[in-house]
Amino acid sequence: EIVLTQSPGTLSLSPGERATLSCRASQSVWSNYLAWYQQKPGQAPRLFIYGASSRATGIPDRFSGSGSGTDFTLTISRLEPEDFAVYYCQQYGTSPLNTFGGGTKVEIK
Amino acid sequence: QVQLQESGPGLVKPSGTLSLTCTVSGASIDRHYWNWIRQTAGRGLEWIGQIYGGETTNSSPSLKNRVSLSVDTSNNQFFLKLTSVTAADTAVYYCARGWSASSYYNYWGQGILVTVSS
Repeated sequence: EIVLTQSPGTLSLSPGERATLSCRASQSVWSNYLAWYQQKPGQAPRLFIYGASSRATGIPDRFSGSGSGTDFTLTISRLEPEDFAVYYCQQYGTSPLNTFGGGTKVEIK
Repeated sequence: QVQLQESGPGLVKPSGTLSLTCTVSGASIDRHYWNWIRQTAGRGLEWIGQIYGGETTNSSPSLKNRVSLSVDTSNNQFFLKLTSVTAADTAVYYCARGWSASSYYNYWGQGILVTVSS
């Protein structure tokens, strides 16, 4: 089972700042099958990025994903008020047992 | 517009069976991969299992002996049964759609909190 470690656990930033979230895998993620989700309180996770760098439908271009192998990054270029939430990474390269990271909370400073 | 909706009891007794239904609209249940995922504060998001084509199932090795998955194509629903539950099975349970056996999930239900308690 691939273990995903997200860092930092909490990111305290102000609107307009840049956010950089990390997801590190315990072994290489096959074909860079790495997704990012946003979750707000009381809601289901929402897909933001798949294939490490492809934005899902309707996701603004201030969100970008990068990385390969074992190290992946989600970048939010300029934080908007609605971006403060918890973000999870998920690897789906091991069929069918995919795994999720523990999450990074982006909070208002 | 694909929509998923979980339903079932919110309270289950220890050693009992957790039974949930996911009702799907906007997509056919006999296509795609239909998944169950749960979330707890302690263990985070955990994939439970999936069903495809009405028959093919896969489940997490850690839960495999306790998980049963099935579908009702006439009502476009799929089901989760988890036996011998303990307090550790208390979680928010989500149903979600994937596009393959190993997939990201672009459609999720809103989630249902199930508490295991006497």
